[in-house]
Amino acid sequence: AQSVTQLDSQVPVFEEAPVELRCNYSSSVSVYLFWYVQYPNQGLQLLLKYLSGSTLVKGINGFEAEFNKSQTSFHLRKPSVHISDTAEYFCAVSDRGSTLGRLYFGRGTQLTVWP
Amino acid sequence: DGGITQSPKYLFRKEGQNVTLSCEQNLNHDAMYWYRQDPGQGLRLIYYSQIVNDFQKGDIAEGYSVSREKKESFPLTVTSAQKNPTAFYLCASSSGPKSLIQHFGDGTRLSIL
Repeated sequence: AQSVTQLDSQVPVFEEAPVELRCNYSSSVSVYLFWYVQYPNQGLQLLLKYLSGSTLVKGINGFEAEFNKSQTSFHLRKPSVHISDTAEYFCAVSDRGSTLGRLYFGRGTQLTVWP
Repeated sequence: DGGITQSPKYLFRKEGQNVTLSCEQNLNHDAMYWYRQDPGQGLRLIYYSQIVNDFQKGDIAEGYSVSREKKESFPLTVTSAQKNPTAFYLCASSSGPKSLIQHFGDGTRLSIL
């Protein structure tokens, strides 16, 4: 089974500052990688995904992430955050070879943007 | 609009009662999933179903049961055997195991009276 580690449970940042949310996964096999965002009392919304190709992927709301195979990481970044980015962010991974379509989630990072 | 509907949004259960959470999707997706979310623990998979009339246990299936009699519906029953049922429950669907993109409902928050 996969293991996903989100290194920071909480990240406070001021508005317009850059932010990086860190994610590492355990698998030595090929994987697909995802970042989801959750606003209070809502479900999860896909921010971006890495399936293949360029290791730098861009998502919605100005977020991007970089896949680093050697470091088994998929860190999420935004150059300038807004108050509206305050939410919980989840990293998830799926095995390429799996026929089950399972996602394994990290424990989440609460991003709080202060004015 | 296509999407996933979970109901009710808030649910209260007395000790010893079974309770069923509803999940309906009109996305024509084959695969459906139930997750449990607790603060600081991320999402943990309870059950999943890849096709009608078939489902598999996830990582924390004890105390839960599901059925998949129709493609669009995947109800979750929290039984009295589940000793700590207070949590936020999320239902998701995808067009199939090869799809990878899961779409989520808005969740049901279950509390014990």
